[in-house]
Amino acid sequence: NAGVMQNPRHLVRRRGQEARLRCSPMKGHSHVYWYRQLPEEGLKFMVYLQKENIIDESGMPKERFSAEFPKEGPSILRIQQVVRGDSAAYFCASSPGQGREQYFGPGTRLTVT
Amino acid sequence: DQQVKQNSPSLSVQEGRISILNCDYTNSMFDYFLWYKKYPAEGPTFLISISSIKDKNEDGRFTVFLNKSAKHLSLHIVPSQPGDSAVYFCAVPINAGNMLTFGGGTRLMVKP
Repeated sequence: NAGVMQNPRHLVRRRGQEARLRCSPMKGHSHVYWYRQLPEEGLKFMVYLQKENIIDESGMPKERFSAEFPKEGPSILRIQQVVRGDSAAYFCASSPGQGREQYFGPGTRLTVT
Repeated sequence: DQQVKQNSPSLSVQEGRISILNCDYTNSMFDYFLWYKKYPAEGPTFLISISSIKDKNEDGRFTVFLNKSAKHLSLHIVPSQPGDSAVYFCAVPINAGNMLTFGGGTRLMVKP
């Protein structure tokens, strides 16, 4: 039973480029969450999605960041026009339902040069 | 304002002894608590949870204690093993379970 999959594991982008991070939830999980961990900080919630719906995006920066979870395929976190401050580890988690344990993927480490 | 706090950034313990990791929270309405373990360059791994209707939950070497009046929970690992060396986060579901809010983490080092 595969866990949460994220790719790429490492992503290097120059300032101004776009970053696309992908997440495939665990089998049977329809709830997906994205978190960000900045250097020397804890994990911070960004967005919660179910298939084709954004349920809660209260942790997303107002500009340049977007997320989707289409009917088919993985969830995508997109960061447009990246800046150095976007360098962080981005973790995706999934759960079978709302409100309890979430299971995390290995993360994507984004470095903006 | 942090709703979940881990006041000890690091803890060093000898192999075989008990490790006690602490977590404080601010909202008495919180009713479910989780502990995660995180190794470098990996995602957090769910370890153990506790509902507010209990004051203790045990799973092998890991026990979580909940003191609701003090708004405090702790994770006990006994006996500690070198492979337990990791960063431990306590977390609480908030906003109707839409998200987890995490403490800042405690780095545990278990020395052989």
